[in-house]
Amino acid sequence: GENVEQHPSTLSVQEGDSAVIKCTYSDSASNYFPWYKQELGKRPQLIIDIRSNVGEKKDQRIAVTLNKTAKHFSLHITETQPEDSAVYFCAASPETGGSYIPTFGRGTSLIVHP
Amino acid sequence: DVKVTQSSRYLVKRTGEKVFLECVQDMDHENMFWYRQDPGLGLRLIYFSYDVKMKEKGDIPEGYSVSREKKERFSLILESASTNQTSMYLCASTSPGMGRDYGYTFGSGTRLTVV
Repeated sequence: GENVEQHPSTLSVQEGDSAVIKCTYSDSASNYFPWYKQELGKRPQLIIDIRSNVGEKKDQRIAVTLNKTAKHFSLHITETQPEDSAVYFCAASPETGGSYIPTFGRGTSLIVHP
Repeated sequence: DVKVTQSSRYLVKRTGEKVFLECVQDMDHENMFWYRQDPGLGLRLIYFSYDVKMKEKGDIPEGYSVSREKKERFSLILESASTNQTSMYLCASTSPGMGRDYGYTFGSGTRLTVV
């Protein structure tokens, strides 16, 4: 099955700095890579996703890059703000009958200091 | 606009009890999932279901079972609760082939403590 490694487990930055979270996956059949943000005491929420036919995707201050050859993908947050503080999860999944069953990384706790 | 509802936010049960965790979604999604979330271990899939009365084992099904009698409801059952099942349990749903909605909608979670 799929195995997803996520680094770092904790990331501390100053407000305004950039933050990068990296993930690697093992199953070359994986073709959908979502990222979830979970604020303290709240449910995980999808913030951005990328499919394997795209190398990069941006949405305002967040971007995700994918390198299928190396089997790694990354989340980039620019101009970080205190409200970006949360646990971020990457995931990778192959498509099975039109559905995706993602395998999650262990999470990165991002702390943005004002 | 809560779309995936878990019946309990906090539960305390005794070792050996049978425990039911309920999840209801109002988005007419076909697929429903149960995860447990533990610090440092991320989200681990327990069971999932593609349709009514269908169920598939995830990565850690031991000690759990599920029931899906109606499309909108997916129940997780701990047949005989043990202390190592103390965890946060998250339900999620999605529907296949809906573009960006491949992403999950999660419930708020049930924090279960087994004493």
